[in-house]
Amino acid sequence: AQSVSQHNHHVILSEAASLELGCNYSYGGTVNLFWYVQYPGQHLQLLLKYFSGDPLVKGIKGFEAEFIKSKFSFNLRKPSVQWSDTAEYFCAVKGDRGSTLGRLYFGRGTQLTVWP
Amino acid sequence: KAGVTQTPRYLIKTRGQQVTLSCSPISGHRSVSWYQQTPGQGLQFLFEYFSETQRNKGNFPGRFSGRQFSNSRSEMNVSTLELGDSALYLCASSLGSSGTYEQYFGPGTRLTVT
Repeated sequence: AQSVSQHNHHVILSEAASLELGCNYSYGGTVNLFWYVQYPGQHLQLLLKYFSGDPLVKGIKGFEAEFIKSKFSFNLRKPSVQWSDTAEYFCAVKGDRGSTLGRLYFGRGTQLTVWP
Repeated sequence: KAGVTQTPRYLIKTRGQQVTLSCSPISGHRSVSWYQQTPGQGLQFLFEYFSETQRNKGNFPGRFSGRQFSNSRSEMNVSTLELGDSALYLCASSLGSSGTYEQYFGPGTRLTVT
């Protein structure tokens, strides 16, 4: 069965610290990977996505993620976080066939708190 | 381009009642997916509609239903509300159903069942 695991439930960092949020997935077919962010009081926004090609993808606001197929991982990184990065981050997987059509499988989310 | 809109934004209902939530997708998007977000269960997929047809359904009881209209607008209905149905209901629209189409989310409808 398809599933997504996010290892950290809550991460607390000081401004300028580096960030890495872990995401592992279980999926038996061609995988498309996403990171979404939910800022306080706002709706889910797409941060970045991976479909194919270069496994290192860059998104908005200086975020990047690396797809490692052998580890079934898609970790999110940012070299230097800002207070405005405080939000909840969700990793998600989407498939291409059958019961996975039109459906995102989400991890449980990681709450990131950045102290100024 | 206008984003995904959902109405109403907030709703308070009593156990046993039914509720209808509405979603207007981004112009040109033909796929609409619905999700339930709760602190305990996280984001769970309800169903997806494409060109007025339900293409996929999550593991929710039959009290949860939906439909899509010819203009791609979608509604979801929950009958015989239970306390556990209290949640944020999110609608997402996409150009298509396959994996490479990204989903854009609306602000959600916050449903409280008392």
